[in-house]
Parts: sequence; C-alpha cells; structure tokens
Amino acid sequence: KQEVTQIPAALSVPEGENLVLNCSFTDSAIYNLQWFRQDPGKGLTSLLLIQSSQREQTSGRLNASLDKSSGRSTLYIAASQPGDSATYLCAVYRGGDKLIFGSGTRLLVRP
Amino acid sequence: NAGVTQTPKFQVLKTGQSMTLQCAQDMNHEYMSWYRQDPGMGLRLIHYSVGAGITDQGEVPNGYNVSRSTTEDFPLRLLSAAPSQTSVYFCASRSGTSVLETQYFGPGTRLLVL
Repeated sequence: KQEVTQIPAALSVPEGENLVLNCSFTDSAIYNLQWFRQDPGKGLTSLLLIQSSQREQTSGRLNASLDKSSGRSTLYIAASQPGDSATYLCAVYRGGDKLIFGSGTRLLVRP
Repeated sequence: NAGVTQTPKFQVLKTGQSMTLQCAQDMNHEYMSWYRQDPGMGLRLIHYSVGAGITDQGEVPNGYNVSRSTTEDFPLRLLSAAPSQTSVYFCASRSGTSVLETQYFGPGTRLLVL
C-alpha cells in the first residue's frame, strides 16, 4: 500500500530564508507527484507537477525535485515571504483518479 | 469560469440525519472525486467518477453514496450521519487521465456531526 509522509509537520522561519520541505513515498510506481498549497479554510491549489520521467520542475521561487529510486521529493522555496505561509501537501498519482496525499507541512514565515 | 463550487460551506447534523453535499464544475471535466480531510491525516479519497453514469469507490467509501447523472454535478450523500464523519470535504475535478493533468479543488464543506 502506498504511503506518503511529509516531514516536518510544521516549520517556522524568518522572512527571507530559503527552505526545503520533504515528501517521501513507499512505492516508486507512480505516474507523477504534485505539490499543493492550502490556505486556512480554503481548498487546494496546485503548485507544481512532476512527471515520473522528470527530475525537477520550477515555477518562480519554487523548485520541486523527484527521485523515484529513493522515493523522495523536495519542495524548495527561495527567499521566503510571509505570503508563503500555508500548508503544503504532496500527493502521488498512481492512475485512475487516485491521488494519495501526505499529511502536509504547515509553514509559517515570520516578518 | 467558476471552477469547482461546493455547497454548503458549513453544516451541522445530528447523528442519524441524512444530507447531500453538492459539487459542480463548469470546466467540462470528465473526472470528479470526493475527498475528506481530517487533522493529521491528509486527504483521503471517498468516491470518484470517470464520467457521467460511472462511479467507483475510493479508500474510505463506507457511509457515503454518490451518483453522476451529468458531467457538471457530483453530489455526495450521507445516508445516516455519524460523528466519525465530522470532517472537511473537498470535491475535485480533472479533465482526463493524462499524467500531465492536475486536479482542481473546490473550497470545501465543513461538516460537524453531533
């Protein structure tokens, strides 16, 4: 059974720091891995999608990497801002319509 | 484009009551799904649909029914609510099966069962 783990569960950093969020998964037979952002009381917004054949994807200050062989993905946020404060979720897609989510990392960027 | 809409935003039920959570999308997406989010557990798939008239069970389907009579709508029914169904429910849609596709999520329905 596929399991997705995110560490740490919560993170607090001062504004301007570069930071890394971690995601690990137990079964490497995935089609893609996605990173989502969730603001309090809101739905999820897709940030980055990495296909299984790719190593990384970049969007602005965000960079996501994927290492299928080790079952790991990282989300790198450069020059963090208070507006980046949110919960970040990773999810692996294994076909059909089944996304398997981690429990998320709650990020607070302090001004 | 309104995207994925959900109603109601918040609902309180008593144990044993029934209700329907509504979900609609205006993007002509074939795939729609329902997730529940509980503290510390991420999102878990309840039911999903790959097109009108086709539904299937996800990871935690017990206590929930779905139907898909149109492409736009995918309601989730609780037949006899239980306190264990207290959660935040999210509806999502996706246009197809391509690995390049991402899912679009609604704003969620917060449900409290007393």
